[in-house]
Parts: sequence; structure tokens; C-alpha cells
Amino acid sequence: DAKTTQPPSMDCAEGRAANLPCNHSTISGNEYVYWYRQIHSQGPQYIIHGLKNNETNEMASLIITEDRKSSTLILPHATLRDTAVYYCIAVNSGYALNFGKGTSLLVTP
Amino acid sequence: DAGVIQSPRHEVTEMGQEVTLRCKPISGHNSLFWYRQTMMRGLELLIYFNNNVPIDDSGMPEDRFSAKMPNASFSTLKIQPSEPRDSAVYFCASSLLAGGPKGEQFFGPGTRLTVL
Repeated sequence: DAKTTQPPSMDCAEGRAANLPCNHSTISGNEYVYWYRQIHSQGPQYIIHGLKNNETNEMASLIITEDRKSSTLILPHATLRDTAVYYCIAVNSGYALNFGKGTSLLVTP
Repeated sequence: DAGVIQSPRHEVTEMGQEVTLRCKPISGHNSLFWYRQTMMRGLELLIYFNNNVPIDDSGMPEDRFSAKMPNASFSTLKIQPSEPRDSAVYFCASSLLAGGPKGEQFFGPGTRLTVL
């Protein structure tokens, strides 16, 4: 699976959009981009995934660049409960999730 | 659905004792995963089952660790004998498919194991 690179930490004001970047410059054509988050002391939580097209669900939006070398997870209106570690993972037909170190997002009042 | 259920939530034991962690996956899911999380190593996949059959146990640290899935609704992870370095949070996850477009994994709340 392709390696992903994320900033170690980010801050966001409550109510504003949180834009979390992920670089996956070596991603192959059949690899999906998955996003998970882990709130302190809880199990990781699936957020969203995509292959080529932008995706949106009730939690977030995923924007994937046309060359698929990077993506951005958008939390449109961040709340204090969105404070968590966010993981961007490239996965093909395999099953192993390499969580890496992720981005620690702090949402402030 | 209640989600993935793990028990116990916390376990404190002494070195050398046997520890058994339990997991009930989401009904209808056919893939089950055991992970371990520590500060030093982050989240690591220990073993993966598909349709109750172990597919990849390359992440199991050593022979002291064993995992079983006797049926589609139950799995155990056993450590015998336990050692202080086994102290970690152990997560169980299940998914409808492993990987690809439907490969999202759903995690349980974890079991926090402390070996004294």
C-alpha cells in the first residue's frame, strides 16, 4: 500500500471548517483513500473513503486531486467533539490498515 | 446493531497468568481483525480472519499469542503466559469485506490490558 504523509498536528476554531491534508504521491490506480479518526481512549472510527471522485457523507467531505497524489478531509463545521487523531490510509484490495501517526486535530472554543 | 462488542474492557493481571480477550463482531460481517495499540508502536494488526478462517497471523508477536474464531459471532485472543510488555489496548474490528470499496472496518471499544 502507498505511504501517506500527514502533518502531525493542526488547530481549528469551533464552528469553522477543518481541512486536513494528506499526501499519497505513490498511490496506485486501484488504491482507495480511507480516513479514520480516533477520539481519545476510543476505538478508531471510520469516516469516509474514495477512489477518484470527491465524496461526501454525513460526517465529512473528501476531496481527491485529479492526479490522486493528495487528498483533503473536510469537516465543514468543526465541534469540540471532533478533537481526535485523524488517519489517512491508502488501501488496495488488501485488508491491512497502516494507521501511521496521523494528524492530531485540536478544535478550540 | 450494537456494534463490535469486546470484553472485558479492562484487565489487570500478573506476569505469567493466562489472559483471554473476547470479541463479538457486527452481525453479517465476515472479516474480523485484532489490533494492538501502544504509545511506542501505534496501532498494529495482529491477525485477520475471513469467514472464520485465519488468513494472516504474521502480526502475532510470538507463540504466546493465539487467536480463534469458532463461529461467525465470536473470537478470542489469548496470551499465555502474559508478560509486562504485553500491556496495551487491544482492539477488535469487523468489516463486511476486507479492503476495496466496502472495506471499512468498525472497531470495538478496546480492552485495556495491564500486566504487572
